[in-house]
Amino acid sequence: TQLLEQSPQFLSIQEGENLTVYCNSSSVFSSLQWYRQEPGEGPVLLVTVVTGGEVKKLKRLTFQFGDARKDSSLHITAAQPGDTGLYLCAGAQNAGNMLTFGGGTRLMVKP
Amino acid sequence: KAGVTQTPRYLIKTRGQQVTLSCSPISGHRSVSWYQQTPGQGLQFLFEYFSETQRNKGNFPGRFSGRQFSNSRSEMNVSTLELGDSALYLCASSFSGKLNRYGYTFGSGTRLTVV
Repeated sequence: TQLLEQSPQFLSIQEGENLTVYCNSSSVFSSLQWYRQEPGEGPVLLVTVVTGGEVKKLKRLTFQFGDARKDSSLHITAAQPGDTGLYLCAGAQNAGNMLTFGGGTRLMVKP
Repeated sequence: KAGVTQTPRYLIKTRGQQVTLSCSPISGHRSVSWYQQTPGQGLQFLFEYFSETQRNKGNFPGRFSGRQFSNSRSEMNVSTLELGDSALYLCASSFSGKLNRYGYTFGSGTRLTVV
């Protein structure tokens, strides 16, 4: 059983569309991170959110941490083929020196 | 500055053999963590080392072990390999292991195939 549930698992959209990926848990996290992973490579950190209700923007990507620090979302505006990849959310608890990863959302953006 | 370096990138081993994977963290990073990534289970935490001491261990059998050297380089060992050990093994480094602000820098991984 995943401590962090990501949805959807797969998403195939056309260039220019908007999308939202969700990361939900029944547990409270001291911080939550989003990573993107491309085939044959390790995950790359996109953002860390720490405060409940926090919103961070990274160009066309908007990340939100839930008020209760149990959930998070990633919204991509006007998706581009370069956004294609595996998106992973990961939560840190307590001292924050290990992460629990969600199952991932595999995004494909078609030109 | 150089990123996290994992060697080798690919390995093919036979059931019953053992394997050692190596990770060189970013210079100055003292925490090294190891994760196993499989299509079915996703990324699962193996263990974390900080200043040559194992601080955390995931829920893996004792066949999985690791160590960290004084220069922060780390190795993980898997003994008596099973088919189910086939996976991408990822090493992640961080300055202090406190992930609440800075997160991990991952290496590109070692793809282990057990036949």
